[in-house]
Amino acid sequence: QLQLQESGPVLVKPSETLSLTCAVSGGSISSSSYYWGWIRQPPGKGLEWIGSVYYSGSTYYNPSLKRRVTISVDTSNNQFSLELRSVTVADTAVYYCARLDGGGGWATDYWGQGTLVTVSS
Amino acid sequence: QSALTQPASVSGSPGQSITISCTGTSSDVGGYNYVSWYQQHPGKAPKLMIYEVTNRPSGVFNRFSGSKSGNTASLTISGLQAEDEADYYCSSYTSSSTLLYVFGTGTKVTVL
Repeated sequence: QLQLQESGPVLVKPSETLSLTCAVSGGSISSSSYYWGWIRQPPGKGLEWIGSVYYSGSTYYNPSLKRRVTISVDTSNNQFSLELRSVTVADTAVYYCARLDGGGGWATDYWGQGTLVTVSS
Repeated sequence: QSALTQPASVSGSPGQSITISCTGTSSDVGGYNYVSWYQQHPGKAPKLMIYEVTNRPSGVFNRFSGSKSGNTASLTISGLQAEDEADYYCSSYTSSSTLLYVFGTGTKVTVL
């Protein structure tokens, strides 16, 4: 059974960089047709797709966040990462990592449990 | 990239059927049969309920069904049960930006 687990600081200061890693177990991050993504959900609000990465390193970003986001993949450690620069309080959210099945209708079929990251001084 | 449009809330009594709409454009919902639906209970990660417009993953009850007409997709819950009370989000593959994927605005389902 595939499992995804987010890790990283839960408190980030304004203007600094939010960094999260998603460890994938029970399957290979290098499997073809699967993309690996980050999604966030501000408290009490809806889901927002941040971006995704393929095992080859190809990336796809939400245009509204593109200038501040980098998503990278580490196939040797079966994990992928998110960097969000110059954060503000508006970036406070639960951050989920997830698998996007490009060969299965583009459904997000596996999710991490999510981690609440708070931006505050 | 705009989110897909869903009604903020839908309610129904136990045993009734409800339908949640999800409106996009020809660049996403209308252009591809790649619409998915997710159920999210408070404090939990979303759960995939429908993929490719009409398909249910194993383990999802057949009370949940999906459809699409033009730029609007729909999720129908038949025989509404108390445990169906949750937030529901649609999503779609999109060709309109560098994003690949877009979510709906979300719908709160209340079982009366």
